This record gives sequence, C-alpha cells and structure tokens, in this order.
Amino acid sequence: AQSVTQPDIHITVSEGASLELRCNYSYGATPYLFWYVQSPGQGLQLLLKYFSGDTLVQGIKGFEAEFKRSQSSFNLRKPSVHWSDAAEYFCAVAMDSNYQLIWGAGTKLIIKP
Amino acid sequence: EPEVTQTPSHQVTQMGQEVILRCVPISNHLYFYWYRQILGQKVEFLVSFYNNEISEKSEIFDDQFSVERPDGSNFTLKIRSTKLEDSAMYFCASNRGTKNIQYFGAGTRLSVL
Repeated sequence: AQSVTQPDIHITVSEGASLELRCNYSYGATPYLFWYVQSPGQGLQLLLKYFSGDTLVQGIKGFEAEFKRSQSSFNLRKPSVHWSDAAEYFCAVAMDSNYQLIWGAGTKLIIKP
Repeated sequence: EPEVTQTPSHQVTQMGQEVILRCVPISNHLYFYWYRQILGQKVEFLVSFYNNEISEKSEIFDDQFSVERPDGSNFTLKIRSTKLEDSAMYFCASNRGTKNIQYFGAGTRLSVL
C-alpha cells in the first residue's frame, strides 16, 4: 500500500538557521508530491508541488523541495527560517488514478528566538 | 483570492446525535473532498465527489457517513449517529480537476461527548 513517512515529529531550529524536513514515500510509480503547511487554527495551505519535470521545485514563502527518485524522497528546505514559519508541515502524495491525497504524519516546526 | 470555507469551526455534539458539517468550495471547482484528522494522527482521506456522486471513498466512510451537494454552492458531510471516535478535525477541499491542486478549508473541529 502507498504510504508517506515523515520521520521527524518535531524539529526545533533557531531563527535564521536553515531547515530541512524529510519526507519519504512508498509507491510503485512516481506520484504527485506536495507539501502543505498548517498554522494553528488555519487550514492546510499548499507550499509547493511536484508533478513532473525539474526535480527542484520552488514554492511560496521561500521554500523549496527536491524530488529524488532513487531515494523516494521529497524533502522540504528553507535557507533561513523566520519565526512566522512555526507551524506543522505535511507531506502528501497523490496517485495518478484517483488523486486522493495520502498524508504523512506531519512535522511540527518550532522556532527558537 | 477565492477560498474554501467551512462552518462551523467547532461543533460539539452528544454521542448518537447527527451532525452536518458544511463546506462552500471554490465556485468554479468541480471535485470535492472530505478528509479528517484525529488528534495526533495523520490526515485521512474520506471521500471524493464529482458530478453529484461519490467517485472514491475510503474504508472509514461507512454507512454512517454521507455527502451531499444540496445546491450549487454547498457541499456537506453528514454523520448519522456520531461515535466518540468520530471526534476529529474535518477538512473540506476542492479542485477544478483530478490533476489540479486541492484547496483546503480551515476545518471543522468535531467533538463528540
């Protein structure tokens, strides 16, 4: 069965430091890949997506992610985090056939001043 | 910017009662979805809806659940007889087509007592 793994439940970084959130998926073919962010009391906002083409994708708020087929990974990065980036981040994949999203467990990002 | 809206933001109900969660998808979208997130767990797909019928549903979406598009703007999720384990955050999403980005509402937190 398809699955998405986000191995880090919590990550704490200092403001201004770089960030990498890990995501691995299990799927036979290349799925569609997404990162969503959820701030407290807010809905799920799309940060970026990968459908095909360039494996390094740029998203909103200065985030980027790189699809690595050999590692079945789609890690999210940001060179310098801001206090406003504190939120929960979800990796999700969609299969071509029906497009229902399959979600990782989420990584809660905590920013130290 | 158009957005998906969900009401209410928080619903408290007694076990065994019926609840209806409401969603107004983005107006030109054709596909509608419900997901849920039990506290501390992954977001889970419940159902997708297109052309006035269910297109996909998960094992979670049993006979206690139903969806409806009663008019041209609302998309509802009904739980006929709520159980304690139905307590969760319920997210509505919509998109223009199955290969397009899903846009999410802020969610309805359902608390079953």
